[in-house]
Amino acid sequence: AQTVTQSQPEMSVQEAETVTLSCTYDTSESDYYLFWYKQPPSRQMILVIRQEAYKQQNATENRFSVNFQKAAKSFSLKISDSQLGDAAMYFCAYRRNSGNTPLVFGKGTRLSVIA
Amino acid sequence: SQTIHQWPATLVQPVGSPLSLECTVEGTSNPNLYWYRQAAGRGLQLLFYSVGIGQISSEVPQNLSASRPQDRQFILSSKKLLLSDSGFYLCAWSVLLAGFSTDTQYFGPGTRLTVL
Repeated sequence: AQTVTQSQPEMSVQEAETVTLSCTYDTSESDYYLFWYKQPPSRQMILVIRQEAYKQQNATENRFSVNFQKAAKSFSLKISDSQLGDAAMYFCAYRRNSGNTPLVFGKGTRLSVIA
Repeated sequence: SQTIHQWPATLVQPVGSPLSLECTVEGTSNPNLYWYRQAAGRGLQLLFYSVGIGQISSEVPQNLSASRPQDRQFILSSKKLLLSDSGFYLCAWSVLLAGFSTDTQYFGPGTRLTVL
């Protein structure tokens, strides 16, 4: 079974600085998707960024980018120029690209942004 | 554009009482639908998913059940709540294309359930 591990339960970053959140996953599949979701205090899950495993180029979305290392099964999220609104729980998720398979989530990393 | 609704937003129920949480999606047809639970300080646990009307897959055995009476409606139910059912319940949808789910799931605002 696939598993997703986020080894940092909590992280903090100074406003305007850069922070990297770690995620590793375990799978024997070669075709899959990876995601980072953000859960602010409102608790609604918001998609931050997604990565297709077949793409070597790292995905970017404005201040958010990933470092996807397929051989190492690592998928870290970098947040640049951190803002107070980035404070939230961040969840890494995996989905096998086959049929109607569901997402597998990590346990999350709580990010605090210090003004 | 697509939107997903959940209600109620907050619910406090006594142990042993029934439960009904509703999720509806607008702006898309024949979506895949999912129910997740998030216990306090924990990650998300998939409870049920549905690929069509009347088609429900259960991921975790428990006293909860799900139904999909209409294409864009997904209901989570229980006949008798337990204390351990407390948590935050999230509904999600993804597009179904040519019989397969596309990769991205979009989440509703959630329901906070407290069982006393």
